[in-house]
Amino acid sequence: GDSVTQMEGPVTLSEEAFLTINCTYTATGYPSLFWYVQYPGEGLQLLLKATKADDKGSNKGFEATYRKETTSFHLEKGSVQVSDSAVYFCALSDFGGSQGNLIFGKGTKLSVKP
Amino acid sequence: EPEVTQTPSHQVTQMGQEVILRCVPISNHLYFYWYRQILGQKVEFLVSFYNNEISEKSEIFDDQFSVERPDGSNFTLKIRSTKLEDSAMYFCASSELGVGNTIYFGEGSWLTVV
Repeated sequence: GDSVTQMEGPVTLSEEAFLTINCTYTATGYPSLFWYVQYPGEGLQLLLKATKADDKGSNKGFEATYRKETTSFHLEKGSVQVSDSAVYFCALSDFGGSQGNLIFGKGTKLSVKP
Repeated sequence: EPEVTQTPSHQVTQMGQEVILRCVPISNHLYFYWYRQILGQKVEFLVSFYNNEISEKSEIFDDQFSVERPDGSNFTLKIRSTKLEDSAMYFCASSELGVGNTIYFGEGSWLTVV
């Protein structure tokens, strides 16, 4: 079945460091891909999305490119801030597999130190 | 910006008791969902609801769970006889359409079963 694999956390970075969180997926159809973020004590918020191959999603300085050839959707940010500390979830929505419902990765906790 | 709202934000209940979690999806959305996240684990899909009926459910969504749209705005999740392992954050979500559409989440309802 469909699945999402994220790099294990936690990830600890200093402010202004470069961030990459790896995400790969397995899907039977043509999935849409998402990154959600969960700040401490809050719910899930959509960070960015991409609906087809080679699309780049971007928001708040974060970006991720839908790579069909490597089945990946890695999250990147050039310069992280303390306020980016959160748990980041990669997810897919695949008509062929999950009928449009989201399948999440396990989440990667990011801690940014001043 | 429209948002999904959930109540209560936190509920503590005795094992074996019935619990109802309430949600108000975004007003023009047609698809509604419940997900849950056991502490430290992956966000898991429970059920999706469209046109006043369940469109998909996971293996987790057994006979102790039910969903209902009692009026034009609310969407509820009922857990009939709670177990300790039902302790989790329950997220309500909605989307305008189904496949590939962005799913918007509420802030969650923490359920603690004692």
